[in-house]
Amino acid sequence: DTEVTQTPKHLVMGMTNKKSLKCEQHMGHRAMYWYKQKAKKPPELMFVYSYEKLSINESVPSRFSPECPNSSLLNLHLHALQPEDSALYLCASSQSGLAGTPYEQYFGPGTRLTVT
Amino acid sequence: GENVEQHPSTLSVQEGDSAVIKCTYSDSASNYFPWYKQELGKGPQLIIDIRSNVGEKKDQRIAVTLNKTAKHFSLHITETQPEDSAVYFCAASMRNTGFQKLVFGTGTRLLVSP
Repeated sequence: DTEVTQTPKHLVMGMTNKKSLKCEQHMGHRAMYWYKQKAKKPPELMFVYSYEKLSINESVPSRFSPECPNSSLLNLHLHALQPEDSALYLCASSQSGLAGTPYEQYFGPGTRLTVT
Repeated sequence: GENVEQHPSTLSVQEGDSAVIKCTYSDSASNYFPWYKQELGKGPQLIIDIRSNVGEKKDQRIAVTLNKTAKHFSLHITETQPEDSAVYFCAASMRNTGFQKLVFGTGTRLLVSP
């Protein structure tokens, strides 16, 4: 089973709202990722968690706040977003281990976010 | 850092024809090259990948080839079917300790006409 689940599927929020996106995997993967994807563009990496610790923050604005409460869950907390933040937000996961050994990365279906 | 170029941006074929999508990468340290298929409204689906110690890999109608010297890799789909219509992304990565940072190409929209 290579399933990554994400909730909600769709989210509409105002610029003053606070909301959270959730991601879950039960493959025993210890690396989890948040990507942002705009229409007709490739996924763009935002954050990487490895063993529940933040390993990469690709200079993402502080209105996006990631959280990894345990090895199966990944959250993305949203606050004071702008209309240009409207996009498909994708979660992914992969195994971890020795450096240099590549592992497959599996994506969830995404959350379609619209900021009004 | 790594940079991945992908061509063509759109590809239209007739059902039964073959389709080829090409990517080039810049970082010779990259050692993993996955291909993803993304259908409308869905997340990217891993369809095939190749590691730097392998030159070719095949899975039924899809195959991937890698030329490390030229830093090229390609996706080949034979006997295309309408359900192959989607956006295809190539990616390249070098594994860091604990995670895999993928750099994606710009995508190819494949349209297979019946």
